[in-house]
Amino acid sequence: DADVTQTPRNRITKTGKRIMLECSQTKGHDRMYWYRQDPGLGLRLIYYSFDVKDINKGEISDGYSVSRQAQAKFSLSLESAIPNQTALYFCATSDERGLTEAFFGQGTRLTVV
Amino acid sequence: AQSVTQPDIHITVSEGASLELRCNYSYGATPYLFWYVQSPGQGLQLLLKYFSGDTLVQGIKGFEAEFKRSQSSFNLRKPSVHWSDAAEYFCAVDGAGSYQLTFGKGTKLSVIP
Repeated sequence: DADVTQTPRNRITKTGKRIMLECSQTKGHDRMYWYRQDPGLGLRLIYYSFDVKDINKGEISDGYSVSRQAQAKFSLSLESAIPNQTALYFCATSDERGLTEAFFGQGTRLTVV
Repeated sequence: AQSVTQPDIHITVSEGASLELRCNYSYGATPYLFWYVQSPGQGLQLLLKYFSGDTLVQGIKGFEAEFKRSQSSFNLRKPSVHWSDAAEYFCAVDGAGSYQLTFGKGTKLSVIP
């Protein structure tokens, strides 16, 4: 089993719909992150969480929200999806040393039509 | 603010040839530097990292990178490329303590048999 698991792997949704992307990890890491990847733009940080009670906005948090349900689970929600949120989304985790050892999930490809 | 530039969007090399992928960063002090590889349909895998000390760092899969403070560069090298190295490569910087990885836009590597 993968250390960082994202579900679903692929999703097509309609404009205006609410959608949740889920991430779970078995690394035992405290820190979790959501990134968005767009062709030619690299990865950009959406939200990050250092523990269950600590959630922070990243570079591009507008239009997104997150929930840290447990140490091992970090969900990303699009409250009202729009087409320019079509992208590849990655969850990542790291230990208390920060991003010295970051582990990424396999990604969720989201298409908003 | 920290930033990363990968000047080459796409590089094509012949199998067995040497490889150098360029990365320049902008940050006031010595940053933490990373190279990640993304194979098609996969998440990101850490190739190597630099925090301090020896400026030539060795990574997995035969890759190495050299940190040059005077040039603000962290170029990735491999002496002999294999067909399986075809992937997209991302350079990333973490301004020590910021806990936010900033990625470059990536360099896609194609390998000719």
